[in-house]
Amino acid sequence: SQKIEQNSEALNIQEGKTATLTCNYTNYSPAYLQWYRQDPGRGPVFLLLIRENEKEKRKERLKVTFDTTLKQSLFHITASQPADSATYLCALEKGRRALTFGSGTRLQVQP
Amino acid sequence: EAEVAQSPRYKITEKSQAVAFWCDPISGHATLYWYRQILGQGPELLVQFQDESVVDDSQLPKDRFSAERLKGVDSTLKIQPAELGDSAMYLCASSLSVGARVIGYTFGSGTRLTVV
Repeated sequence: SQKIEQNSEALNIQEGKTATLTCNYTNYSPAYLQWYRQDPGRGPVFLLLIRENEKEKRKERLKVTFDTTLKQSLFHITASQPADSATYLCALEKGRRALTFGSGTRLQVQP
Repeated sequence: EAEVAQSPRYKITEKSQAVAFWCDPISGHATLYWYRQILGQGPELLVQFQDESVVDDSQLPKDRFSAERLKGVDSTLKIQPAELGDSAMYLCASSLSVGARVIGYTFGSGTRLTVV
């Protein structure tokens, strides 16, 4: 069955450093992959979408890579700030446009 | 900026009671989804609508859950009877597609359900 793995351990980094989060998947060939931010008690907020024919995508301080051979996506936040502290979810297109989500990685940026 | 509206924001109900959640998607978004998120996990799809038709309800516990989107706009998710294990965040999302390409996917703030 389809499986998406994100590091369940929280990632703690110092302000100003680059945060790198990993999303690995198996038994799947998604047409696209998305990254979301989720704050406690709130719904996920869409950040970036990358398609299977794209290797890298950037938006301000965010960068996503997508390696369909390794079945892996990396999500980078450069010059991280305490306001970036949240849970980040990776999601793959499930078919018929619905999404399958990983369990998320909690990022804590220390001032 | 357009939002997906959900109500209520919080709901506490006793087990065996009925509970209902409402969602109003972004105007023009033909596809509507209900997801359930248990604390510490990612959202899981319960049901997907395309306009007023159900596209996927394979993960919906149909003995107690029902969902409808009668006019292809807003939607209601109902649980009857509620069980303790139904305590979770219920998220509604909507998306816009052009052909096979999704070009917008937005979640609401969710309804936090606690069954006591």
